[in-house]
Parts: sequence; structure tokens; C-alpha cells
Amino acid sequence: GDSVTQMEGPVTLSEEAFLTINCTYTATGYPSLFWYVQYPGEGLQLLLKATKADDKGSNKGFEATYRKETTSFHLEKGSVQVSDSAVYFCALSYSGGGADGLTFGKGTHLIIQP
Amino acid sequence: EAGVAQSPRYKIIEKRQSVAFWCNPISGHATLYWYQQILGQGPKLLIQFQNNGVVDDSQLPKDRFSAERLKGVDSTLKIQPAKLEDSAVYLCASSLGYEISYEQYFGPGTRLTVT
Repeated sequence: GDSVTQMEGPVTLSEEAFLTINCTYTATGYPSLFWYVQYPGEGLQLLLKATKADDKGSNKGFEATYRKETTSFHLEKGSVQVSDSAVYFCALSYSGGGADGLTFGKGTHLIIQP
Repeated sequence: EAGVAQSPRYKIIEKRQSVAFWCNPISGHATLYWYQQILGQGPKLLIQFQNNGVVDDSQLPKDRFSAERLKGVDSTLKIQPAKLEDSAVYLCASSLGYEISYEQYFGPGTRLTVT
């Protein structure tokens, strides 16, 4: 079956550091890929998505590129802030918006220190 | 617009007891989902409704879990009897439909502790 693997956390960085959170997937077809974020005390929110190979999703300074050849969708940000501290989930779905049900990775807890 | 509402936010029960969770989706959203998120893991889809019909319940443990969505709006998820391994956060989400570009919106979740 389909699955998503992402790097273990917690990941601790200093403010303004460069961020990469790795995500790879196994899928039988050609899924859409997503990053969701869960801030402390809040519900899951869509951060960005990409619906086909070589697409780049971006939002709030974060970006990720759909790499079919390496089955990856790594999340990057050039300069993190304390407010980026949250749990990040990589996910896949066979509809562009995820509305047919999402398969999630285990999540990566990101801690940004001032 | 109002988001997805869930209640209760927290629940503690003993094993073998029963429990029910309630979800009110965003107004006008035809598709509703229940996910189970065990500590340290990502959410796992339990059941998906389109209006009041079930689209996917392949990962729902049907011997103890049940869900309904009467009138195609609110939904309840029930566990009877609960086991220790049911301790998790239960997330409800909704979307306009399950067509190509519709996004899922998540509620805050209900944290269940089974002792």
C-alpha cells in the first residue's frame, strides 16, 4: 500500500537557520503531495501542495518540489522563525486537494530557539 | 466562516466502556472524514462520508467502532467497548466534495485516554 516516510524529530534549530525536513513516499500511482502543519493547540492546516511531478508548492516562505525520480517532497525554508515551531506532516492523496483521503507520515516536531 | 467543530475536546474512560465523539463540519461541506492519530504517528483515515453515505471505511475496526452521519451534516463516531490501544486523538475533517481540487479542513480533535 501507499506510505509516507519523513525524518524523525525533534529537529531543533536556531532562528534564521536553513530548514530541510525530508519526506519520501511509496505509491502505486501518481499521487498529489502535501505538507500539513500543526501549531501548538491548533488543528492541522494545509501548508503547501504539489499535484504533479516537478511542481513546486510554496507558502509562508516554505517550499517543496515534487521529485518523481527520487519519490521525494522535501520541505525547505531559508530562514526559520520561532513562530515556525510546530509539527509538520507530509502526506499524499490521489486527488489534487486531498479530498479522497490523505495518507500521512509520522510527523516531524520542529523547535526553533531564539 | 466557522471551522470544523468537535466535542468533547478531552475524554477519559476505562477500558470496556463506550464513548462517542461529535463533529459538525463546515457549512455546505458534503464530505466528512474521521481520522485516528495515535501519539507519535500521523493521522490514519478511519471513515469517509459523502453526504450521508460511506465512501471508504476500509480501515475502521468495525467490531468496535461505528460512525454515522445523519442528514448529511453532523457526524458521530462511537467506540464500544474501548481498548487501551484506542487512546488517541480523533480528528474530524470536511471538504466541499471529493473532487480533484477540494481541500480538507481539520477540526481541533478529541483526545481520548483509555485507562
